[in-house]
Amino acid sequence: KAGVTQTPRYLIKTRGQQVTLSCSPISGHRSVSWYQQTPGQGLQFLFEYFSETQRNKGNFPGRFSGRQFSNSRSEMNVSTLELGDSALYLCASSSLGGAVTDTQYFGPGTRLTVL
Amino acid sequence: GDSVTQMEGPVTLSEEAFLTINCTYTATGYPSLFWYVQYPGEGLQLLLKATKADDKGSNKGFEATYRKETTSFHLEKGSVQVSDSAVYFCALRGSNYQLIWGAGTKLIIKP
Repeated sequence: KAGVTQTPRYLIKTRGQQVTLSCSPISGHRSVSWYQQTPGQGLQFLFEYFSETQRNKGNFPGRFSGRQFSNSRSEMNVSTLELGDSALYLCASSSLGGAVTDTQYFGPGTRLTVL
Repeated sequence: GDSVTQMEGPVTLSEEAFLTINCTYTATGYPSLFWYVQYPGEGLQLLLKATKADDKGSNKGFEATYRKETTSFHLEKGSVQVSDSAVYFCALRGSNYQLIWGAGTKLIIKP
């Protein structure tokens, strides 16, 4: 089985722009979660989608949004970029998402740099 | 709320040394516990997991036992290699289904 894929791998934007990141989960997985990783804050949960519905949301401003399509692929969007949004954005998929025992499998991440 | 505390790094060891990375947690109910590893420039890889008390997860020579009485999930390996150099994250998945992460421990193995 192919793993979780994320595109693009690297992205450079300027302040005020918006950006869209894409994630394709492992075939058959219906849950997709997004995380932001920075040296200062570590790994922080952004949101989780399951069957095209946002099921869980972390503590991020409304500039961060996402969606999931019927084929389980997911996108996240960040509008009005700030310097502090520079980070590695990780996508993870799991088969169900709604079980404590469920395991998340991660993609390689998208490295976003905001200038 | 739920939380995970890991020992601070970096941890520097010589090749073939014994490794322990401490992880303790706070959670209500019965969380699942995970260790992930991140190699430079890469995403996170699941290393091992345990879903109930006294379970032992193991993979690639690494082991961790879910200890409910001490709320711990320490990572151990009997003989580390240079290729084990990476950042190790302890995480739990509790009743709200979110993964709660430790801060990560950087491991450096010297030949």
